[in-house]
Amino acid sequence: AQSVTQLDSHVSVSEGTPVLLRCNYSSSYSPSLFWYVQHPNKGLQLLLKYTSAATLVKGINGFEAEFKKSETSFHLTKPSAHMSDAAEYFCVVSSPWGYQKVTFGIGTKLQVIP
Amino acid sequence: DGGITQSPKYLFRKEGQNVTLSCEQNLNHDAMYWYRQDPGQGLRLIYYSQIVNDFQKGDIAEGYSVSREKKESFPLTVTSAQKNPTAFYLCASKVAGMNTEAFFGQGTRLTVV
Repeated sequence: AQSVTQLDSHVSVSEGTPVLLRCNYSSSYSPSLFWYVQHPNKGLQLLLKYTSAATLVKGINGFEAEFKKSETSFHLTKPSAHMSDAAEYFCVVSSPWGYQKVTFGIGTKLQVIP
Repeated sequence: DGGITQSPKYLFRKEGQNVTLSCEQNLNHDAMYWYRQDPGQGLRLIYYSQIVNDFQKGDIAEGYSVSREKKESFPLTVTSAQKNPTAFYLCASKVAGMNTEAFFGQGTRLTVV
C-alpha cells in the first residue's frame, strides 16, 4: 500500500522569500517520488523526481527536494519565490514494480504576494 | 510530436447518459492512467493499465469503466451509475519501470446537466 500526505493545502509567501511545501509518504517498499506543478488552466508538468541516486534532487525553475527516509518526507523548497511560481503543487508516489500505481497528494496551492 | 491527446476538451452531457472520454498516446508507453480532479481533492485514481487487455481499479472506480484494446488507447466511460460525474478528467501514461514519470494530457472537463 502507498499514500502521500501534503501537510498544507495553502501556502502564502512574499516574493523573494523561501518556499517550503511539505510532503510525507507511506510505502511498503522503496518508492519513486515526484513533484508536479499545475498552473491555472494548464496541464501537469514534472518539477523533479527522486531516483535514489542522490537524496537532494534538483528540478526545474530553481526547485529542490530532499528525500529523508528516516522521516518518510520529500519536501519541496526554493530559496526565493517568484510571482510565476504561483500554482498548485502535487507530491506523487509510485510503486517501482508490478502494477505501477501512481498516487497523488491533495495538492498545495502556493500564493506569492508581491 | 509525441504526446498524449485527450478529446474533447469540454464535454456536456445530460444526466443519466453514458459518456466516453478519449485518451490516445503515441509515446509507446505501456502504462496508462485515468484520474479525476476536483477542487481540494487532488487527483484521484480511477483506473490504470499496465498492458493491453489488462487494467486495474483505482481508488474511485465505481461508476466508471475502461478498455485497453490497443497499446496507444485507453478510453474511459462515465456511466449513469456515477453519482457526481461533473469533474476534470486527466489521462496519463508512463514507461513501465522504476523512477519513470507520468506524462499527462491536457484534460477533459465534463459537465453533466
